[in-house]
Amino acid sequence: SQKIEQNSEALNIQEGKTATLTCNYTNYSPAYLQWYRQDPGRGPVFLLLIRENEKEKRKERLKVTFDTTLKQSLFHITASQPADSATYLCALPGYSSASKIIFGSGTRLSIRP
Amino acid sequence: GAGVSQTPSNKVTEKGKYVELRCDPISGHTALYWYRQSLGQGPEFLIYFQGTGAADDSGLPNDRFFAVRPEGSVSTLKIQRTERGDSAVYLCASSLGVAGPGGTGTQYFGPGTRLTVL
Repeated sequence: SQKIEQNSEALNIQEGKTATLTCNYTNYSPAYLQWYRQDPGRGPVFLLLIRENEKEKRKERLKVTFDTTLKQSLFHITASQPADSATYLCALPGYSSASKIIFGSGTRLSIRP
Repeated sequence: GAGVSQTPSNKVTEKGKYVELRCDPISGHTALYWYRQSLGQGPEFLIYFQGTGAADDSGLPNDRFFAVRPEGSVSTLKIQRTERGDSAVYLCASSLGVAGPGGTGTQYFGPGTRLTVL
């Protein structure tokens, strides 16, 4: 069955540095991959979608890469700010049903001033 | 405009009771999803509606869980004979179209209902 793995340990970095989060998946070749941000007590907020034929996608200070050979996506936040502190989730369409979105467990990111 | 709203925000119930959780999607969104999220985990897919019909209910854990969307807008998730293991945050999301790489598939989530079964 599909598996999505995100680093369960929190990532703590200094303000201004680049934060890099990893999403690995197995047993599947998804047509696209998504990244979401979730703050405590709130629902996830969609950030970026990258298609299988795209190596890299950018949006302001965010950059996502998608390596279909390694079955891995990297999510980068450059010039990180304390306001970027949140949990970041990656998500893939389901193998058996594209409308069924499968989420990873998320990585908590803390940016210290 | 208004986002996805869910009521109640918190629900405490006793084991064995019946609960209903409500989701008001963004107006005009035809697709609606229910997820369940436990502490430290990502959202877990439960069911997906396209219009009034459940297009994919493969994530419902057992027959105690049921969801409806009679008029293609508001949806209710119903849980019978609640168990302590049902305690979680139940999230609803809506999108203009079906999930996918097209822009209409972007899901907008509500704040969730925190269900606690004592």
